[in-house]
Amino acid sequence: NAGVTQTPKFRVLKTGQSMTLLCAQDMNHEYMYWYRQDPGMGLRLIHYSVGEGTTAKGEVPDGYNVSRLKKQNFLLGLESAAPSQTSVYFCASSRLETESQTNEQFFGPGTRLTVL
Amino acid sequence: AQKVTQAQTEISVVEKEDVTLDCVYETRDTTYYLFWYKQPPSGELVFLIRRNSFDEQNEISGRYSWNFQKSTSSFNFTITASQVVDSAVYFCALSEAYGQNFVFGPGTRLSVLP
Repeated sequence: NAGVTQTPKFRVLKTGQSMTLLCAQDMNHEYMYWYRQDPGMGLRLIHYSVGEGTTAKGEVPDGYNVSRLKKQNFLLGLESAAPSQTSVYFCASSRLETESQTNEQFFGPGTRLTVL
Repeated sequence: AQKVTQAQTEISVVEKEDVTLDCVYETRDTTYYLFWYKQPPSGELVFLIRRNSFDEQNEISGRYSWNFQKSTSSFNFTITASQVVDSAVYFCALSEAYGQNFVFGPGTRLSVLP
């Protein structure tokens, strides 16, 4: 049981390049989330998904796109990377136990992205 | 809009001291969930506790305790007899029902000195 995994762990991009971060969970969780963590700002929600095929914007969605084609995977895309997107990116998932309830999130190890 | 404030940016204590980390939240929802997470120097995020808005019971887990007060919109976290291993950044978070919209506070960096 690997929990939540993220690929890659580190990446350096040049301004304008594109990339996709992959998040995978093997816990059969309904909900999945992408955050970015910057010094002194905690974690900020980029996008999230409450089920396969559905996504929603979080607090800081601009410059990112996501897809949840399979329940276990949640992809975060940067179409044209900018230096302001230099950050540590965390993926998380949580289970749906009873309707309306929000349960704790399980986090991946993070991806450190640098945009030059 | 939802908001979480952790006014203490950094706290330093000496081992065995008690320490309280403050968390104040804002929400218009009647159903919401509060969380605390720990991020040790290794960088992973570790879940500590979840509370829903209808359960104001305080909770104790070993050296950790939590005080939830809806009247002051606070969800404070106390570590009793702190240890060096408690050194970490602690985040308070708030979410709506149905897994929607998590908001994290900026975190409090706790340093426990031997």
